[in-house]
Amino acid sequence: AQSVTQLGSHVSVSEGALVLLRCNYSSSVPPYLFWYVQYPNQGLQLLLKYTTGATLVKGINGFEAEFKKSETSFHLTKPSAHMSDAAEYFCAVSVAQGGGSNYKLTFGKGTLLTVNP
Amino acid sequence: DGGITQSPKYLFRKEGQNVTLSCEQNLNHDAMYWYRQDPGQGLRLIYYSQIVNDFQKGDIAEGYSVSREKKESFPLTVTSAQKNPTAFYLCASSQGDATNEKLFFGSGTQLSVL
Repeated sequence: AQSVTQLGSHVSVSEGALVLLRCNYSSSVPPYLFWYVQYPNQGLQLLLKYTTGATLVKGINGFEAEFKKSETSFHLTKPSAHMSDAAEYFCAVSVAQGGGSNYKLTFGKGTLLTVNP
Repeated sequence: DGGITQSPKYLFRKEGQNVTLSCEQNLNHDAMYWYRQDPGQGLRLIYYSQIVNDFQKGDIAEGYSVSREKKESFPLTVTSAQKNPTAFYLCASSQGDATNEKLFFGSGTQLSVL
C-alpha cells in the first residue's frame, strides 16, 4: 500500500526567503504525484502534478517540485516567499492497485506555511 | 462561472439527527468525491461516484450515505451512526479519473455537533 509523509506539520519562513516543503512517498510502482494548496476556509487548488516525463515540474504562483525516484521524494520549492503564500499545502500520491488500471489517491497530512514580514 | 458549490457553509447537528450536505457542480464532470478533513489529518475519502447512479465507498464510509441521481449533484448524508461527525467536509469533481487528473474542490462545509 502506498503512503505519503510530509515532513513538518508547520513551516515558517520570512518574506523573500526560500520555501521548501518536503514530501516523501512509498510505492512499489511508479506513482503520480500532486501538490495542492488550501487557503483558510476554502477547498484545495492544484499547484502542480507529475505524471510522466520531465522530473522538474513547474506550477502556478512560482512553485515547482522535482520528482526524485531514488529518494522517493517530491519536495515543493519556491525561491522567494510572498505573504500571499501563507496556506496549507498537501502532497498527494496516486498509485495503481494490484498492477491493474485502478488507481488510489492518498493525501498527506498537510504542512501549514506561515510567512513572516 | 463554472465550479463546485457546497452548502451550507456551516451546519450544526443535534444528537441522533441525520443531516445532508449539498454539492452541485456545473463543470460537466463525470466523477465526484466527498472528503473529510480533520485538523492535522489530511483528507480522507468518504465516497466517490464515477458515473450517475453509481457510487463506491471510500476509506471511511461508515456512518455516511450518498446518492447520485443527477450528474451535477452528489449530496452527502451524515447519519446518526456517525458518532464523531465534527469535521470540514469537502466535495470535489474531476473530468476523468481523479487519480491522475486535476481535482476541483468546493469551498467546504464545516459540520459541528450541538
